[in-house]
Amino acid sequence: DIQMTQSPSTLSAFVGDRVTITCRASQSVTTWLAWYQQKPGKAPKLLIYKTSTLQSGVPSRFSGSGSGTEFTLTISSLQPDDFATYYCQQYSTYQSSFGQGTELQIK
Amino acid sequence: EVHLVESGGGVVRPGGPLRLSCVASEFTFDDYGMNWVRQAPGKGLEWVSAINWNGGSTGYVESVKGRFVISRDNAKNSLYLQMNSLRAEDTALYYCARGGNSGTTAYMDVWGKGTTVTVSS
Repeated sequence: DIQMTQSPSTLSAFVGDRVTITCRASQSVTTWLAWYQQKPGKAPKLLIYKTSTLQSGVPSRFSGSGSGTEFTLTISSLQPDDFATYYCQQYSTYQSSFGQGTELQIK
Repeated sequence: EVHLVESGGGVVRPGGPLRLSCVASEFTFDDYGMNWVRQAPGKGLEWVSAINWNGGSTGYVESVKGRFVISRDNAKNSLYLQMNSLRAEDTALYYCARGGNSGTTAYMDVWGKGTTVTVSS
């Protein structure tokens, strides 16, 4: 099975900052990579799929890139609503898997 | 509005069974693959199982293979997870999630609110 590793596990930033979260796969997932945002007590919300396609309704300050084994989620200018936990997910194989999560905290 | 509602969670003794259900509304259920994803208390997301649009193809995380069975009834717009031989490590909030296509491998674009399973003696 494919292991997904996110870095950092925790990130502190100011409103207005540009932040990047990295997700690495233990083997190539080509571009079959999605990103989710989860707030406490809520279900995850799909942000990006197929590495860089923005889900409908998601603000354009979110973007994704990468291929193969290394991927990034970038938030161009942090807003107060963006402080949450972010997960990557590979869906390259019949056994999908998530990264361990990155908690984005207000500095 | 597209909607998924899970039910069937509860407290069960180790080794016991439990059946989760998920009812879908406001979309054509048999156009999509479906998933179960769980989240242990204070932990991250773990994909558990997926099923394609007609139930002909399924997938499971290694830790539940042979114990859990995913199924669906398209006439009832419903997804199920039969969980047997439950262990303490199966304790989690279980989410039902719609896949982004009709197969078993996809991102998940619609999520329910989850149902809680607690395995404890």
